[in-house]
Amino acid sequence: DVKVTQSSRYLVKRTGEKVFLECVQDMDHENMFWYRQDPGLGLRLIYFSYDVKMKEKGDIPEGYSVSREKKERFSLILESASTNQTSMYLCASSKPGNQPQHFGDGTRLSIL
Amino acid sequence: QKEVEQDPGPLSVPEGAIVSLNCTYSNSAFQYFMWYRQYSRKGPELLMYTYSSGNKEDGRFTAQVDKSSKYISLFIRDSQPSDSATYLCAASGGYQKVTFGIGTKLQVIP
Repeated sequence: DVKVTQSSRYLVKRTGEKVFLECVQDMDHENMFWYRQDPGLGLRLIYFSYDVKMKEKGDIPEGYSVSREKKERFSLILESASTNQTSMYLCASSKPGNQPQHFGDGTRLSIL
Repeated sequence: QKEVEQDPGPLSVPEGAIVSLNCTYSNSAFQYFMWYRQYSRKGPELLMYTYSSGNKEDGRFTAQVDKSSKYISLFIRDSQPSDSATYLCAASGGYQKVTFGIGTKLQVIP
């Protein structure tokens, strides 16, 4: 089974802090993704990566950056956290080509 | 208009009922269709993955795609309380960019 592990289930931070969310997958997948999930808005793609050190902007990249130094690890960075970034953050991975994505259990982030 | 539309529900059914969950989409380039199940405080779990039109069955679950009407369905037979979750439909034209519906919350009453 594919295992996508997100380092924290719940996180509380303050506005202006730099926040790191970590994601690790154990299936040697090339592709990795970061989404946020909000009630009534569904899943929205923040960033994705097709390979190590590569990154592509998704639909809502503003206020975020990512890092992929190793194939199995994809980090999401909130440069200066704001209250409107309070959300559920989901990491996913997949094989290349038209293969389905597999998700971690998410990090529920609260910015106070 | 969203590219993938899904009624958020909630949908309540008695145990043992046949459940029908539906989505519509607007992008004719979509060829790959998925259903995910998401339990409360968990990530989405892939249930079904289909290509183009047609049916796919897996146990009590059947996914159906009608590209002519841009309609995606998931049927659950003999529904169980453990099926209570939010069900997300999703579609892709390839190249890994996936568009998700907002999810339908299903409750199966014992």
